[in-house]
Amino acid sequence: AQKVTQAQTEISVVEKEDVTLDCVYETRDTTYYLFWYKQPPSGELVFLIRRNSFDEQNEISGRYSWNFQKSTSSFNFTITASQVVDSAVYFCALSEAWNTDKLIFGTGTRLQVFP
Amino acid sequence: EAGVAQSPRYKIIEKRQSVAFWCNPISGHATLYWYQQILGQGPKLLIQFQNNGVVDDSQLPKDRFSAERLKGVDSTLKIQPAKLEDSAVYLCASSYSPNTEAFFGQGTRLTVV
Repeated sequence: AQKVTQAQTEISVVEKEDVTLDCVYETRDTTYYLFWYKQPPSGELVFLIRRNSFDEQNEISGRYSWNFQKSTSSFNFTITASQVVDSAVYFCALSEAWNTDKLIFGTGTRLQVFP
Repeated sequence: EAGVAQSPRYKIIEKRQSVAFWCNPISGHATLYWYQQILGQGPKLLIQFQNNGVVDDSQLPKDRFSAERLKGVDSTLKIQPAKLEDSAVYLCASSYSPNTEAFFGQGTRLTVV
């Protein structure tokens, strides 16, 4: 069965600190997709990244970076020089290759960035 | 570009009552999703539409939940009768086509008392 585990329930940091959000997944599929979403207090889910299982290259987008390691079934997300606006709940998700729209979400990590 | 619109934002009902949620997707988006997000959990897909046809409703409790997208645009999700465990945020999302980025609405927070 597919499963996504986000062991960190809540993280608090002070502005400008770097923070890493952990994501560990389980799947029997050889082809799958991994996602990160941000959910600010307003409630909507904001898409951050999608990565397929054959692409293990790390990705950097501004202050955001992602580390995908198939050997440990992890897809971790790092925010560099955190800002107050980064405060939100972050979800990691997994989908099967045959239906990438059916997302299995983790329970989320609430990030609070204090000024 | 207008986002995904949902109404109402909040709803409080008593158990065994009925409730309906409305979603207006982004113009031109053929794929529409309803998710249920229980407090402290990640969203769970309830149903996926492609135009006005159902692609996946395997996780929809069909004895009490129903959804429709009659003209392939707006959608309604109904719960009848509601149970206490239905208290959650119901998120609607849409995408241009399957396997493309989905955009989410702000959700409807349902409280069943």
